[in-house]
Amino acid sequence: SAVISQKPSRDICQRGTSLTIQCQVDSQVTMMFWYRQQPGQSLTLIATANQGSEATYESGFVIDKFPISRPNLTFSTLTVSNMSPEDSSIYLCSVEVAGTGARGANVLTFGAGSRLTVL
Amino acid sequence: AQSVAQPEDQVNVAEGNPLTVKCTYSVSGNPYLFWYVQYPNRGLQFLLKYITGDNLVKGSYGFEAEFNKSQTSFHLKKPSALVSDSALYFCAVRDRYSSASKIIFGSGTRLSIRP
Repeated sequence: SAVISQKPSRDICQRGTSLTIQCQVDSQVTMMFWYRQQPGQSLTLIATANQGSEATYESGFVIDKFPISRPNLTFSTLTVSNMSPEDSSIYLCSVEVAGTGARGANVLTFGAGSRLTVL
Repeated sequence: AQSVAQPEDQVNVAEGNPLTVKCTYSVSGNPYLFWYVQYPNRGLQFLLKYITGDNLVKGSYGFEAEFNKSQTSFHLKKPSALVSDSALYFCAVRDRYSSASKIIFGSGTRLSIRP
């Protein structure tokens, strides 16, 4: 399965600033996913990053707040813009591991996450 | 709309005892079902999944889960808990009949195994 490196692993940020999280995969993947895991809550999909096209955002998430880049098949970045304390979360990068059956049965591999604290 | 519920925020078990982490789902038809585990300061790791066939699925670290269609459940089990099993466990579901469907995660259950 793919190995994902994510950085920073954690950061403490000031209100109003922006932070870019990097995600590097050791193999080429078509789609990369960005999730948010707020304290004590489940994972919420922010967007799907496709190489060569605009990211697809889920309801409640917009490009101005969470711009995403996907310059090639092994790398993506997520920027959290104009941060507020409500953005304090763990942000996770993920890719699908292609299996031999239907795509729906594919397993997700996750990076270790980036824990952001906004003061 | 598909959804998944983990009714227990926390499960406490003594080492050596059997453990169960509960999961119920709401999806039309037969879904794909998954369990993931998250250890402290690490991303989620895949444990096991149900695709089709035998309702009892065996996965990593001695875990297993039983798909029960009539009860729409997919409880995670292990016959003998280890302290190292202490972690956050997520059940997840995905619609089998829509290739564009997203995987939906439950709210998570924190498993604590006491020595």
